[in-house]
Amino acid sequence: GAGVSQSPRYKVAKRGQDVALRCDPISGHVSLFWYQQALGQGPEFLTYFQNEAQLDKSGLPSDRFFAERPEGSVSTLKIQRTQQEDSAVYLCASSPRGAGNTIYFGEGSWLTVV
Amino acid sequence: AQSVAQPEDQVNVAEGNPLTVKCTYSVSGNPYLFWYVQYPNRGLQFLLKYITGDNLVKGSYGFEAEFNKSQTSFHLKKPSALVSDSALYFCAVRGRGYSTLTFGKGTMLLVSP
Repeated sequence: GAGVSQSPRYKVAKRGQDVALRCDPISGHVSLFWYQQALGQGPEFLTYFQNEAQLDKSGLPSDRFFAERPEGSVSTLKIQRTQQEDSAVYLCASSPRGAGNTIYFGEGSWLTVV
Repeated sequence: AQSVAQPEDQVNVAEGNPLTVKCTYSVSGNPYLFWYVQYPNRGLQFLLKYITGDNLVKGSYGFEAEFNKSQTSFHLKKPSALVSDSALYFCAVRGRGYSTLTFGKGTMLLVSP
C-alpha cells in the first residue's frame, strides 16, 4: 500500500482482555517501530524490528506486551490482560534501512480499556 | 541517551504572521533531526529533516527549520502562518548509532484568523 496501515483504528477492551494490534508497513521497508502515545504526550518508543529480528524491545512497559514480525513484513503488537493504564494510541512506523531515512507513521490504533 | 525539549506547550500566532516553534536536543555525536505534525485523531505526518549539510532545511507546506549545532537547537519556522497550520508539532532526534527516534512532548500551534 501507499502508507503504513494499522488495524483496528479503534478498540475498546474490557480490563483483563487480550488485544492484538496489526501493522502493515510500507512495502520494502526493512525497519518497523511501535510507539505508544498517551493523551497529551509525545510518542514513546516500545520496540524495533529489522526484518523479522526484534533488535530492541527496551521500551515495552511490562511482560504483558509482546510484538512479533514473523515474516519481516506485517507486525502484531499483543497486549495481554489489559489494564486501564494501557489506554493510549499505539503508533506503528516503518522506514528503509539507515538511521537518516525518514520514518513514516500509520494513523494509529486507539485503545481504550474500560 | 538522547532527548528533546520543546519548551512551549502552546504557541499562538495570527494568520499571516511568521511562526517559530522551538526545539532543543541532547545526543552524543551528530544528530538526525526531524519535525512531525499531528492533526486531531490522526497519526504523525513527516514535515522535514536535517541529516547533514545546509543548516537551513526546507520541508512540506512552506515550513523550514534551522539546525544550530552550538545551541543544539532545531527550531521550526514558517514566514506566514495559515489557520490550517493549527496542529500539534513534534520535534524528534535520532543519534547516530541509535535505532529509534526520541520525541519531544509536542507544541500545540494555534493560528487565529
